[in-house]
Amino acid sequence: GENVEQHPSTLSVQEGDSAVIKCTYSDSASNYFPWYKQELGKGPQLIIDIRSNVGEKKDQRIAVTLNKTAKHFSLHITETQPEDSAVYFCAASRVDSNYQLIWGAGTKLIIKP
Amino acid sequence: GAGVSQSPRYKVAKRGQDVALRCDPISGHVSLFWYQQALGQGPEFLTYFQNEAQLDKSGLPSDRFFAERPEGSVSTLKIQRTQQEDSAVYLCASSRGLGNQPQHFGDGTRLSIL
Repeated sequence: GENVEQHPSTLSVQEGDSAVIKCTYSDSASNYFPWYKQELGKGPQLIIDIRSNVGEKKDQRIAVTLNKTAKHFSLHITETQPEDSAVYFCAASRVDSNYQLIWGAGTKLIIKP
Repeated sequence: GAGVSQSPRYKVAKRGQDVALRCDPISGHVSLFWYQQALGQGPEFLTYFQNEAQLDKSGLPSDRFFAERPEGSVSTLKIQRTQQEDSAVYLCASSRGLGNQPQHFGDGTRLSIL
């Protein structure tokens, strides 16, 4: 079955700098890759997603890139702000697995003021 | 409603008791998912509904776990004869339709088994 690995587990960056979180997946049939932000005591919040027919997608300070050949995708956050501090999860799914998301282990992002 | 609503937010039960967790999805959302999230880990898939039909229950840990969505909207996850290892956050998500549509999550129910 699908396996998603996420690195790093913790990332500390200075406010205003960029942050990059990377994920790899094992199942070449996976075709949908969302990123979620989870704050303490809250449910995961979708921040951006990408499908396998697209290589890059951007939304203001957030971007996601996908390399299907290498089976990895990355989240890029530019001009980080204190409110970006949270745990970020990547996930993958395939249409013939009833859309269940397979999740990475999460990255705790700390923005230092 | 505006988002996915789960109740109760916190549930404490003694080992051996039965519990029921409720999920109100976003109005009109066809698909509904339950996930289990252990502390410090990513969510793990439990089960999936398309309207009232439970199409996938492959993630349910044991036959003590049961989920239903009888009218295709509200869903209940029931755990019978709870055990300590059932302690976790149970998350519900809904999505608009079929295919890989974005899943929107509630804030979860934190279940603690004493």
